[in-house]
Amino acid sequence: GAGVSQSPSNKVTEKGKDVELRCDPISGHTALYWYRQSLGQGLEFLIYFQGNSAPDKSGLPSDRFSAERTGGSVSTLTIQRTQQEDSAVYLCASSLLGDHTEAFFGQGTRLTVV
Amino acid sequence: AQSVTQLGSHVSVSEGALVLLRCNYSSSVPPYLFWYVQYPNQGLQLLLKYTSAATLVKGINGFEAEFKKSETSFHLTKPSAHMSDAAEYFCAVIANTGGFKTIFGAGTRLFVKA
Repeated sequence: GAGVSQSPSNKVTEKGKDVELRCDPISGHTALYWYRQSLGQGLEFLIYFQGNSAPDKSGLPSDRFSAERTGGSVSTLTIQRTQQEDSAVYLCASSLLGDHTEAFFGQGTRLTVV
Repeated sequence: AQSVTQLGSHVSVSEGALVLLRCNYSSSVPPYLFWYVQYPNQGLQLLLKYTSAATLVKGINGFEAEFKKSETSFHLTKPSAHMSDAAEYFCAVIANTGGFKTIFGAGTRLFVKA
């Protein structure tokens, strides 16, 4: 597609359930980011995939969070045993690798844990 | 390691007044700098970027930013605010310190009063 696509756009889940959030980056973009944005807050970095290198997982808040990127394209962010504090908008971005290159963002997935 | 500091989490201006959003960076190597805007319920989009071609960078919607190495700053300005400028603005840096990870500031929310 022309832009970064995220699905679902909205997700309501019960506390304790697992959720999977999907990101389809722009074709050819080798860098992919996941961020979390809580209500009224800035961007919280979660994880960064850089080409074939090991991902930078330094932002994952707990071991309940994990992400993978299959075939260097689609990425899935998984949250296990969701908690109410996980409620936020999860944003995905992709870019070409390089220092001149801007990130292109998806519209985000709004996760609500009830 | 590189970092970005945005001074002021909230800025309020009157319609027609000057907009000034402050960004300072820290980087051990020449940085590439970006401003992104996030309108309500949307993802982020690029406003402008500095890539060393010129220190004064013009972006969309009448915004511009000036790279000042001596001050390690990249402040965003617009001569005359419009109601439609109300949004959240993020400064970001990429510096090749072994990878091309984009680092975002905490964001500044701009309010425009009629």
